[in-house]
Amino acid sequence: GDSVTQMEGPVTLSEEAFLTINCTYTATGYPSLFWYVQYPGEGLQLLLKATKADDKGSNKGFEATYRKETTSFHLEKGSVQVSDSAVYFCALSNYGGATNKLIFGTGTLLAVQP
Amino acid sequence: DAGITQSPRYKITETGRQVTLMCHQTWSHSYMFWYRQDLGHGLRLIYYSAAADITDKGEVPDGYVVSRSKTENFPLTLESATRSQTSVYFCASETSGNTGELFFGEGSRLTVL
Repeated sequence: GDSVTQMEGPVTLSEEAFLTINCTYTATGYPSLFWYVQYPGEGLQLLLKATKADDKGSNKGFEATYRKETTSFHLEKGSVQVSDSAVYFCALSNYGGATNKLIFGTGTLLAVQP
Repeated sequence: DAGITQSPRYKITETGRQVTLMCHQTWSHSYMFWYRQDLGHGLRLIYYSAAADITDKGEVPDGYVVSRSKTENFPLTLESATRSQTSVYFCASETSGNTGELFFGEGSRLTVL
């Protein structure tokens, strides 16, 4: 079945460092891909999405490109801040993007130190 | 404030007791969802609802019951709580069911002793 694999955390970085959080997926067809972020003590919120191959989603300085050839959707940010410390979840939805079919990865904790 | 609110935020109960987690949204979103979050599993869908009086099972529905008599409310009931149901529960809503863009509540942390 469909699945999402994220890199194990925690990822610890210094402020202004470059961030990459890897996400690869297994799915038939052409799923939609998402990154959600969960700040401490809060629910998840959508960070960015991409619905077809080669699409780039971007928001708040974060970017991710839908790479069908490598089945990846890696999250990147050029210069992280302490306020970016959170858990990041990669997710996919097959079946035309049906939300009840969303599959989440296990999450990657990012800790940014001043 | 508009949004999605869950209550209680924290609950401790004993094995065998009935527990109800409440969820209320003010956006009039058609779709509502209940997830549980556990270490090593990410989020798993328990139940969802496409509209009032329409509910359906997700990935892990056993031991849970839902209802949706009004669009804005979507309570989750554990009829006889077990230790394996210790988790953080998130309610979420969405406009149309096919955007993948969920709006989450702040979560309810449930401990079953």
